[in-house]
Amino acid sequence: GENVEQHPSTLSVQEGDSAVIKCTYSDSASNYFPWYKQELGKGPQLIIDIRSNVGEKKDQRIAVTLNKTAKHFSLHITETQPEDSAVYFCAASTSGGYQKVTFGIGTKLQVIP
Amino acid sequence: GAGVSQSPSNKVTEKGKDVELRCDPISGHTALYWYRQSLGQGLEFLIYFQGNSAPDKSGLPSDRFSAERTGGSVSTLTIQRTQQEDSAVYLCASSLTGGSVEAFFGQGTRLTVV
Repeated sequence: GENVEQHPSTLSVQEGDSAVIKCTYSDSASNYFPWYKQELGKGPQLIIDIRSNVGEKKDQRIAVTLNKTAKHFSLHITETQPEDSAVYFCAASTSGGYQKVTFGIGTKLQVIP
Repeated sequence: GAGVSQSPSNKVTEKGKDVELRCDPISGHTALYWYRQSLGQGLEFLIYFQGNSAPDKSGLPSDRFSAERTGGSVSTLTIQRTQQEDSAVYLCASSLTGGSVEAFFGQGTRLTVV
């Protein structure tokens, strides 16, 4: 089955700096890659996703890149703010949707004011 | 309701007792998922419902775990004879269909087995 590795497990950045979280996946059939943000005491919330026919996608301060050849994808957050502090999960799916999603272990991001 | 609702928010139980965790999905969502989140671990898939049937229950860790869904809506996850290693946050999510792009999560039930 699919295996998703995510690093780093923790990340501290100064407010205003950029943060990068990287993930790799094992199943070349994976075609959908969502990213989730989980704030303390809440469930994960989808923040951005990318499909295998796209190499990069941006939404304001957040961007995701995908390298299908190398089977890795990354989340980039620019101009970080304290409210970006949370646990971020990457995931990969072979179904194009949510049925067969495998999550990474999560990255705890701390933005220091 | 406006979102996925889970109850209780927190549950402390003694080892060996049975527990039931409830999930109310977003109205109209046909797909429902249960995940387990242990300390320092990612989200571990448990079971997927499409309507009232469970085409994928491959993630249930043992026969002490079972789940059902009635009326295409509310789902209950039951853990029998709880063990300390069952302590975790149990998350429920729902999506419009099984192939939907986005699933919406509840806030989770934190289960502590003492």
